[in-house]
Amino acid sequence: DTEVTQTPKHLVMGMTNKKSLKCEQHMGHRAMYWYKQKAKKPPELMFVYSYEKLSINESVPSRFSPECPNSSLLNLHLHALQPEDSALYLCASSQILSGTYEQYFGPGTRLTVT
Amino acid sequence: ELKVEQNPLFLSMQEGKNYTIYCNYSTTSDRLYWYRQDPGKSLESLFVLLSNGAVKQEGRLMASLDTKARLSTLHITAAVHDLSATYFCAVMDSNYQLIWGAGTKLIIKP
Repeated sequence: DTEVTQTPKHLVMGMTNKKSLKCEQHMGHRAMYWYKQKAKKPPELMFVYSYEKLSINESVPSRFSPECPNSSLLNLHLHALQPEDSALYLCASSQILSGTYEQYFGPGTRLTVT
Repeated sequence: ELKVEQNPLFLSMQEGKNYTIYCNYSTTSDRLYWYRQDPGKSLESLFVLLSNGAVKQEGRLMASLDTKARLSTLHITAAVHDLSATYFCAVMDSNYQLIWGAGTKLIIKP
């Protein structure tokens, strides 16, 4: 199984709402990532979890709050977002310390902030 | 700081023609990845290149890596419409993070 799943596929939220994005993988990968991608741009790294610990936070505003409840799950909690936060949010996972370090991406959540 | 440059950024070509996308990077790395992205979709892994001289082929696509020149190429042979997509190269830095090229939008016309 080389699948990363993400829910929901689409999300529309107001600037005062609180919502969460979810990501799951069952490949035994111990690194998980959140990326943000705007149209016609490459993905931008937001957060990295290694062995369920936050290892990289790329100066992301506090209105984005990641959580890694266990080695298979990754959440991104959203609160008081701005319209410019509208984007495709991608989750990825990879092996670390061995192998190719290839990142496998989920289908993404298309987020619209109104 | 590792920087990755892709060119061209946009490529429109006829079916049946051959073309090459280039990916240059600024500092030493021996891990390079090619991804494909269809409009509104996620990223699909195409090739993982891990050593100097590595060459991988899948159908009409062939990727190669020259770590000494810090250059990877993605060659398209006898293009077909289904290959229309945006192609990204990404290079792994010393912190095991991917540094992305800007992407090449490929349009193949019948």
